[in-house]
Amino acid sequence: AQSVAQPEDQVNVAEGNPLTVKCTYSVSGNPYLFWYVQYPNRGLQFLLKYITGDNLVKGSYGFEAEFNKSQTSFHLKKPSALVSDSALYFCAVRDPLNYGGSQGNLIFGKGTKLSVKP
Amino acid sequence: EAGVAQSPRYKIIEKRQSVAFWCNPISGHATLYWYQQILGQGPKLLIQFQNNGVVDDSQLPKDRFSAERLKGVDSTLKIQPAKLEDSAVYLCASSFGKGKNTEAFFGQGTRLTVV
Repeated sequence: AQSVAQPEDQVNVAEGNPLTVKCTYSVSGNPYLFWYVQYPNRGLQFLLKYITGDNLVKGSYGFEAEFNKSQTSFHLKKPSALVSDSALYFCAVRDPLNYGGSQGNLIFGKGTKLSVKP
Repeated sequence: EAGVAQSPRYKIIEKRQSVAFWCNPISGHATLYWYQQILGQGPKLLIQFQNNGVVDDSQLPKDRFSAERLKGVDSTLKIQPAKLEDSAVYLCASSFGKGKNTEAFFGQGTRLTVV
């Protein structure tokens, strides 16, 4: 069955330092991978996606993610963290082999809280 | 471009009461989703519509939850009767077309508290 794991409940970084939020996945085919961010009392906002092609994907707000097929990972990264990046981050996967003719359900991880301190 | 609109933002009801949530997707988006997000967990799909037809309701508790998308635009999600464990944020999302690589855009959600 398809699944997503975010092994860290919380990640703490200092402003200006690089950040990494980890995500691993399990699907039966080649995955479609997504990252979303959720600010307090807000809906989820799309950050970036990996469909095919370059393993390094660039997204909104200076975020990027690296797809690693051998490690089944899709870690979110940013070279220099901002206090305003503090939020809840969700990794999601869509398994193109398991959508029964529909567009396919997005399976979300449980989320990682990112805290950036000044 | 206007985003996904949801109402109400907050709702408190007693168990065994009924409640309804409304969603207006982004104009032109054929696919509409309802997700349930319990505190401390990621969103879980309840139902997915393609235009006004249901394409996935496998995780919808059909004994108490129902949803419709008449005319293929707005959608309502209803819970009747509510249970304590239904306390969650209910997120509506929409996406354009039928592509598997298409991202979904989310509304702000409705926070439901069942007491």
